[in-house]
Amino acid sequence: NAGVMQNPRHLVRRRGQEARLRCSPMKGHSHVYWYRQLPEEGLKFMVYLQKENIIDESGMPKERFSAEFPKEGPSILRIQQVVRGDSAAYFCASSLSGGNGEQFFGPGTRLTVL
Amino acid sequence: AQSVTQPDIHITVSEGASLELRCNYSYGATPYLFWYVQSPGQGLQLLLKYFSGDTLVQGIKGFEAEFKRSQSSFNLRKPSVHWSDAAEYFCAVGGVEYGNKLVFGAGTILRVKS
Repeated sequence: NAGVMQNPRHLVRRRGQEARLRCSPMKGHSHVYWYRQLPEEGLKFMVYLQKENIIDESGMPKERFSAEFPKEGPSILRIQQVVRGDSAAYFCASSLSGGNGEQFFGPGTRLTVL
Repeated sequence: AQSVTQPDIHITVSEGASLELRCNYSYGATPYLFWYVQSPGQGLQLLLKYFSGDTLVQGIKGFEAEFKRSQSSFNLRKPSVHWSDAAEYFCAVGGVEYGNKLVFGAGTILRVKS
């Protein structure tokens, strides 16, 4: 039973490029959450999605960041025109149910912006 | 504001000694409480969780935590630390009052000396 999968594990981008981070939830899970961990900080909530719907994006920066969870395929976190401050670890979690069902975390994608 | 405080950034204990990591949350009458462990460059592994019922919860790897509502605390304990326990530990809070997200503390880095 595969856990939450994220790819790539490491991503290097130059300033101004786009970063696409992918998350495949655990089998049977239809709820996906994205968190960001800045160096030496805890995880901060970004967005919560169900299939084809954004439920809560209160933690997403208003510009350059977007997320989707299509009917088929993984959830995507997209960062346009990356800046050095976007360098962080981005974690995806999934749950079987919303409303604070237990969240299972993926290994994270470590984004480095040069 | 919803916040989680882990007052100790670093803790060093000797192998075989007991351990207590502190966690306080700021908000919520019925919080869901979690402790996660993160090894360097890795994702988060759930150690234990509290939703309701017995306020002393047992987790994996010999860890336990006690929920004290009067103190808004959920401290993590282990009677005898092993060198392999060296990692970073995160306390997190969720629940109806937190919406669909987990709010994390900043983490405590545990060092184990032999």
